[in-house]
Amino acid sequence: EVQLVESGGGLVQPGGSLRLSCAASGFTFSSYWMHWVRQAPGKGLVWVSRINSDGSTTSYADSVKGRFTISRDNAKNTLYLQMNSLRAEDTAVYYCARVAVGMYNFDNWGQGTLVTVSS
Amino acid sequence: QSALTQPASVSGSPGQSITISCTGTSSDVGSYNLVSWYQQHPGKAPKLMIYEGSKRPSGVSNRFSGSKSGNTASLTISGLQAEDEADYYCCSYAGSTFYVFGTGTKVTVL
Repeated sequence: EVQLVESGGGLVQPGGSLRLSCAASGFTFSSYWMHWVRQAPGKGLVWVSRINSDGSTTSYADSVKGRFTISRDNAKNTLYLQMNSLRAEDTAVYYCARVAVGMYNFDNWGQGTLVTVSS
Repeated sequence: QSALTQPASVSGSPGQSITISCTGTSSDVGSYNLVSWYQQHPGKAPKLMIYEGSKRPSGVSNRFSGSKSGNTASLTISGLQAEDEADYYCCSYAGSTFYVFGTGTKVTVL
């Protein structure tokens, strides 16, 4: 069974940092591109970032570019999102999701981890 | 990238059919046949319902169907059931490995 389990969320002050993790199991992690998608409370889904299967290329939404860094450790089957210079508007549930190579849809999602940026 | 435009809410009675629209631009929906649709129940993770505009993943009911015309994609739910009550989001590939989601539609079963 495919499982994606996020962790690392919590309360952080504006300007602070947090690192999210997404532990993958039940599939060949190194064969999939991985993404982060976030959802502010009561709001819609927003694509945040993606990383290719071997970690050599990344992309970011303009709203997080220069502040967030996506990475992966295929040996540990884990995806990461390093979030720096956090702002109140970064408050959201952060989901990790996988995309098969050659496909363009998120076929499995984690349960999400809540990040709250507040003083 | 601006969010794709969806109606805020759509409702229908059990057994009826409803259609949710998703309007983008020639840079996203209009350029690629790569629109996907997601169902999200309160407090839960999104679930893939339709991909590549009209394809259904294994296990998704054939009551769900998708289509596209120009810059607008659509999701139709036929034979509406109580369990279909949820939020629905479209998503389009927008080139250069970027994606854009829709604003979301709340489906209510009357």
